[in-house]
Parts: sequence; structure tokens; C-alpha cells
Amino acid sequence: GEDVEQSLFLSVREGDSSVINCTYTDSSSTYLYWYKQEPGAGLQLLTYIFSNMDMKQDQRLTVLLNKKDKHLSLRIADTQTGDSAIYFCAERFSGGYNKLIFGAGTRLAVHP
Amino acid sequence: DAMVIQNPRYQVTQFGKPVTLSCSQTLNHNVMYWYQQKSSQAPKLLFHYYDKDFNNEADTPDNFQSRRPNTSFCFLDIRSPGLGDAAMYLCATSRDNSNYEQYFGPGTRLTVT
Repeated sequence: GEDVEQSLFLSVREGDSSVINCTYTDSSSTYLYWYKQEPGAGLQLLTYIFSNMDMKQDQRLTVLLNKKDKHLSLRIADTQTGDSAIYFCAERFSGGYNKLIFGAGTRLAVHP
Repeated sequence: DAMVIQNPRYQVTQFGKPVTLSCSQTLNHNVMYWYQQKSSQAPKLLFHYYDKDFNNEADTPDNFQSRRPNTSFCFLDIRSPGLGDAAMYLCATSRDNSNYEQYFGPGTRLTVT
């Protein structure tokens, strides 16, 4: 079956790096995603990684993928207060259509 | 400019009273999705339309239906809302089924009294 797990809460100091972790179960997933949700807003696609990659960097964001352990992480460098939000990990369903399986989200709190 | 618009942003309905949530898109995408997100839970796909073809998830309750009268609009109808249907309802679009990006609207928060 498909399942995506994330820790629920992370607190970091402004300027530090944040690392949000995720595990998934479907080894056939082709794409894995990180979405951001700010209060009152919809889901914003932050970044994604294709399953044949093990790392992707995009400005302050670094995604690491360990396919063997089915582990995905998102590192945010120099975390700012504007990064406070809920971060959702998602995998693309391997069953032939564009369904996303989400984790429950990690709430990132950034404090001075 | 907003690309996926959901109306209303907040909806209150009474137990058992039918309610319709609306989604529109300016992207001219072929696929439109409805996800349900209960408090502190993962968003869960209810169904999607590929053009006019409706695709229901196996575990979506019969109480939930959808209509897509044209490319731009998609509606979520809840025939007899129960207290357990209180949630955020998220609409999303993608260009087609092979395109990996989904664009989400801001959601409609449904309260059932």
C-alpha cells in the first residue's frame, strides 16, 4: 500500500538549517515532492525530485533521496521567519495517473 | 494572478443540508482534482476529472459527487454532510496525467453544524 510518514513538528532558530524528514512506502514512485502550506493558503510546490536522482539543490533548498531506505529529506539553509509553515512530503502514485499521496505535514516554527 | 480559484473560502452548512464547493482555473489544464484535508491530517484525493472523464477513488464515500461542466470549472457536491465531513477541501489542476506538477487553490474550509 501507499503511505507517507513525517514527523509533526520542528522548531529551529533563525539562521540555522532545518531538516525535515519523510519516509514513503511505494518504491515505484517516480516523483517525490515537497509542498509548503502557509496559514490560510493552498499548497505551494517548493521542489520535487525524480526517482533516478539522489540529490537536488535549488537555492536554499536541498532535497536528498535515499531510495534504498525510502527516505526523503528537505534541508532549508539559513532558515528565516518567513519559512514558518507546514511542509508536506508527497509521492506520485505509481498506478498510472497523477495522484499524490501526502504525509500529514511537518509544522516548522522558526524563532529568533 | 490567481490561477486556481476556490469559492467560497469558508463555508458553513447544517448537518444533512446539501452543499456545493466551487473551483475554477485559468490555466486551461485538462485535469482537475479534489482533495479532502481533515485537521492535522494528510490531504487525500477524492476524485479527479481528466477532461470530461470522471475518476472516483475507491474509498470516496457516495455522499461526495463532482461535476465539471467545462474546462474551467469543477464542483464538489456533498449531498448530506455529516459532522465527519468538516475539513479543508483543496482543488488542484495539472496539464495532463503525465505532467508531474499540480497547482493548488487556497482551499475551502467547510464547517458542519
